[in-house]
Amino acid sequence: ETGVTQTPRHLVMGMTNKKSLKCEQHLGHNAMYWYKQSAKKPLELMFVYNFKEQTENNSVPSRFSPECPNSSHLFLHLHTLQPEDSALYLCASSQTQGKPGNTIYFGEGSWLTVV
Amino acid sequence: DQQVKQNSPSLSVQEGRISILNCDYTNSMFDYFLWYKKYPAEGPTFLISISSIKDKNEDGRFTVFLNKSAKHLSLHIVPSQPGDSAVYFCAASDLNTGNQFYFGTGTSLTVIP
Repeated sequence: ETGVTQTPRHLVMGMTNKKSLKCEQHLGHNAMYWYKQSAKKPLELMFVYNFKEQTENNSVPSRFSPECPNSSHLFLHLHTLQPEDSALYLCASSQTQGKPGNTIYFGEGSWLTVV
Repeated sequence: DQQVKQNSPSLSVQEGRISILNCDYTNSMFDYFLWYKKYPAEGPTFLISISSIKDKNEDGRFTVFLNKSAKHLSLHIVPSQPGDSAVYFCAASDLNTGNQFYFGTGTSLTVIP
């Protein structure tokens, strides 16, 4: 079992649907992240939560809504998405910010297709 | 503007030879660098890191070199194996300002048997 698990692994949704991506980390980390990976683009940071508090929102459209109920769980709620939002969404976690050796660990990703 | 760049989208190397993957960055405040490996349909997995107080870090077949004056780092894989075929991402962080990691676009390595 990986330290960071994401569900579902694959999701197809219509533009009027509402769905959620779920992430759980089993590493005892305090920071959790959502990244988006589109083809031929660098990994784009979307949100960062540190000790359940959102510390970064990288100008993400409001149709993406994160939720972090505790340090182990992170959700990304999706509604009225556009086809260009189709991408691989990666959840990650790290121990804490600002410390040497703060390595970020990724889940396997959720492939999202918006039709 | 992209702060971490991997200018080679792909690289092919014969099995047993050295693979050298390059990464450049623009922000002089970055002080911690990581390399990740990604197979298709999987998330990136951490390979090796280096902090700015070092210029070299070695872990088995993987060595990362950091040239701070040139704002350049490289990952050397010796000897390369077919199982090393994957996309490699470099990432950089400024430990003083938070836990945001900036990633390059990746280099796809193919090791030819």
